Amino acid sequence: SQQGEEDPQALSIQEGENATMNCSYKTSINNLQWYRQNSGRGLVHLILIRSNEREKHSGRLRVTLDTSKKSSSLLITASRAADTASYFCATDEGRDDKIIFGKGTRLHILP
Amino acid sequence: EAQVTQNPRYLITVTGKKLTVTCSQNMNHEYMSWYRQDPGLGLRQIYYSMNVEVTDKGDVPEGYKVSRKEKRNFPLILESPSPNQTSLYFCASSEDRGFPEAFFGQGTRLTVV
Repeated sequence: SQQGEEDPQALSIQEGENATMNCSYKTSINNLQWYRQNSGRGLVHLILIRSNEREKHSGRLRVTLDTSKKSSSLLITASRAADTASYFCATDEGRDDKIIFGKGTRLHILP
Repeated sequence: EAQVTQNPRYLITVTGKKLTVTCSQNMNHEYMSWYRQDPGLGLRQIYYSMNVEVTDKGDVPEGYKVSRKEKRNFPLILESPSPNQTSLYFCASSEDRGFPEAFFGQGTRLTVV
């Protein structure tokens, strides 16, 4: 089953603008994570938010979690060309062994 | 440097010829897993291991085997590869169960002809 589903599938914005991506999931979770993947490379962990947290910041990243709506959003402020990548959310379905990734959002930052 | 190392990075093989993709981590992590990534399908977990000699099926285990004889190594074995196993494969490790941050290898692009 596909737990995390990112929205939109693709996003193009001008450099300097903010980018927002969303993730929805189906069951209860212990925590939710966001990862970045540059084309064809390994995934890099960005941020982890626990089920009892509502918002978390890391540099230009802001993540929110709404467990009542089973959704999370990733905001990248003041986007840069280097932010061009695919972004994935991942959840654990409330267990701590099987991990479910979404299909990702492809973000393209235009110069 | 903390890292997850996969080998080979690229592999072209023929249907039915057994192959092994190796994965090694130097962080003393307990949890390791394998994923495949296909266009439009995202990452799907193949197998995972919570410790030495403990392995479990993920979402798409058919056609794959794994072993965890040592903590640092978690090889992925395709006994009889088929073209539908052509994909980009990633190994990942994390400190322990509880879904902490995962560290990914650089990927293995496998083509089965």
